[in-house]
Amino acid sequence: SQQGEEDPQALSIQEGENATMNCSYKTSINNLQWYRQNSGRGLVHLILIRSNEREKHSGRLRVTLDTSKKSSSLLITASRAADTASYFCATDGSGGYQKVTFGTGTKLQVIP
Amino acid sequence: GAVVSQHPSRVICKSGTSVKIECRSLDFQATTMFWYRQFPKQSLMLMATSNEGSKATYEQGVEKDKFLINHASLTLSTLTVTSAHPEDSSFYICSAGTGPRGYGYTFGSGTRLTVV
Repeated sequence: SQQGEEDPQALSIQEGENATMNCSYKTSINNLQWYRQNSGRGLVHLILIRSNEREKHSGRLRVTLDTSKKSSSLLITASRAADTASYFCATDGSGGYQKVTFGTGTKLQVIP
Repeated sequence: GAVVSQHPSRVICKSGTSVKIECRSLDFQATTMFWYRQFPKQSLMLMATSNEGSKATYEQGVEKDKFLINHASLTLSTLTVTSAHPEDSSFYICSAGTGPRGYGYTFGSGTRLTVV
């Protein structure tokens, strides 16, 4: 079963705009990760945020985590056409290596 | 950084045959690896957790006799799809835990399986 749900399911924006994707999950976690997947390709790890962190930045990416609401958001600033991809959040359970489960994903299209 | 190598990247096989997919941790030891399946335009669904030296733990609804997992060493886990059928056609991807326990996972590049 899916641990997380993401919204929106699909997002279409103009190049240069910001894109925000949200992820909600159900159980306690060790950390939450965001991945990108280009069509038909493997996963690219974007950023990991630990359960005791609230915000993290990496280049044009900003991730927030609210463990009280069991939610996270991924913000991509100044989007580029190359950002077009599906984005997934992934969570693992607390207490060591637990299985990582993926959200339903957001399909982002950045229009040049 | 940690690298997980997955082979083959693409495979086409005939219905009824078996296919083996390998997942190797190249520069670290992985006591735990995970196997996922992804159908077109869907998310990744965890199939099983592979533990070195012990039996894999399968998720509900995954046939363990059909999807054989072997994790005989700390750097290699294999998934064998036995008696493949067209409905087994999918994207299979593995991951391994890296870094301090509970912090970080590295994914392989995936295997596109097509059963004809």
